Amino acid sequence: RKEVEQDPGPFNVPEGATVAFNCTYSNSASQSFFWYRQDCRKEPKLLMSVYSSGNEDGRFTAQLNRASQYISLLIRDSKLSDSATYLCVVALWAGNMLTFGGGTRLMVKP
Amino acid sequence: GAVVSQHPSWVICKSGTSVKIECRSLDFQATTMFWYRQFPKQSLMLMATSNEGSKATYEQGVEKDKFLINHASLTLSTLTVTSAHPEDSSFYICSARNIMNTEAFFGQGTRLTVV
Repeated sequence: RKEVEQDPGPFNVPEGATVAFNCTYSNSASQSFFWYRQDCRKEPKLLMSVYSSGNEDGRFTAQLNRASQYISLLIRDSKLSDSATYLCVVALWAGNMLTFGGGTRLMVKP
Repeated sequence: GAVVSQHPSWVICKSGTSVKIECRSLDFQATTMFWYRQFPKQSLMLMATSNEGSKATYEQGVEKDKFLINHASLTLSTLTVTSAHPEDSSFYICSARNIMNTEAFFGQGTRLTVV
């Protein structure tokens, strides 16, 4: 079983749609959680950290369920520019290495 | 601006030669840097953890004698792919975390093609 699992997609959605991605992690001792965005042939960039209480940043909402070891990302009012691969990332503690999920590819169509 | 700089961004080399990739943290000191590899349509896979002033820690299945890592200063780590073969062709990315926050910053990546 992979340490961090994601549905690879692709998710093909029209502009303006709401789309949700899920991620599960296997190590219950994990402490830090993130969503990164990776555009084709580019390095990953931090989209948002994920906090236990859930957090929102504009059109993006992240949720964490420690009991189920489950993380989600919700994107509202999708834009063409949201097309990318979204990586679920987990770390054991603040200084620890990051473990990446396989990524979920999103394609937003006009 | 970029806080982690990786160089070169792409390189083509002949089979059997060695290639060195540099990773620099520009405005913070990084006692630990991470080297990842990403094959097409796959996720980033951690190769090794680079520790300043000590030996790198390699992940299972990564040959330490083939992928030489040197972390001689708090702002520079290098990865040398020795005796490169076509199957080493990949996207190599370094990462460093600023201990002042939890965000990891990535270099721009190096696309290696071995012919």
